[in-house]
Amino acid sequence: DAGVIQSPRHEVTEMGQEVTLRCKPISGHDYLFWYRQTMMRGLELLIYFNNNVPIDDSGMPEDRFSAKMPNASFSTLKIQPSEPRDSAVYFCASSPTGGITQYFGPGTRLTVL
Amino acid sequence: QKEVEQNSGPLSVPEGAIASLNCTYSDRGSQSFFWYRQYSGKSPELIMSIYSNGDKEDGRFTAQLNKASQYVSLLIRDSQPSDSATYLCAGVSGNTPLVFGKGTRLSVIA
Repeated sequence: DAGVIQSPRHEVTEMGQEVTLRCKPISGHDYLFWYRQTMMRGLELLIYFNNNVPIDDSGMPEDRFSAKMPNASFSTLKIQPSEPRDSAVYFCASSPTGGITQYFGPGTRLTVL
Repeated sequence: QKEVEQNSGPLSVPEGAIASLNCTYSDRGSQSFFWYRQYSGKSPELIMSIYSNGDKEDGRFTAQLNKASQYVSLLIRDSQPSDSATYLCAGVSGNTPLVFGKGTRLSVIA
């Protein structure tokens, strides 16, 4: 079975540019989570969805960040405009069991110059 | 604010020894706990879950939970160099999502 799929795996962009990260959850999973990981702050939950509906976006750092889940098999995380401090690894995870057991994608390493 | 605290390490142990990783949590309502292993440059993967007080064993891994002390631990017996990774502790209460600690880096020296 395919796991969580994320694209791109690496993204290098310049400050001020728009960045879009993509995620395809495991089929049948009801929950989808977006995380950001840095050495300083660890793994931070940005937002999560249940049945395509955003449940909690309190972790989204600023209005520059937005996330959508138009259907059960696709989600995007957008940063506009991007800043150097957004450089991190962004993980998407999905879960079938009330959001408890989470399966992580390979991550997108974002570098903003 | 719900928090999960871990010693960042690095924790260094010789090959064949027992590695002990510890985690404390602030939310007394937390019911379930999880240990994730993350190799450098990779994503976290679930290795153990524990829901009730006491010990849970799976191969070389033993998870321990003490809800009165708000303490969770992971023991790795017969540590191998391949166990070298960062171990993330996570807890959950009610319908809230997982709260992760920042992880402990383990280095097993051959």
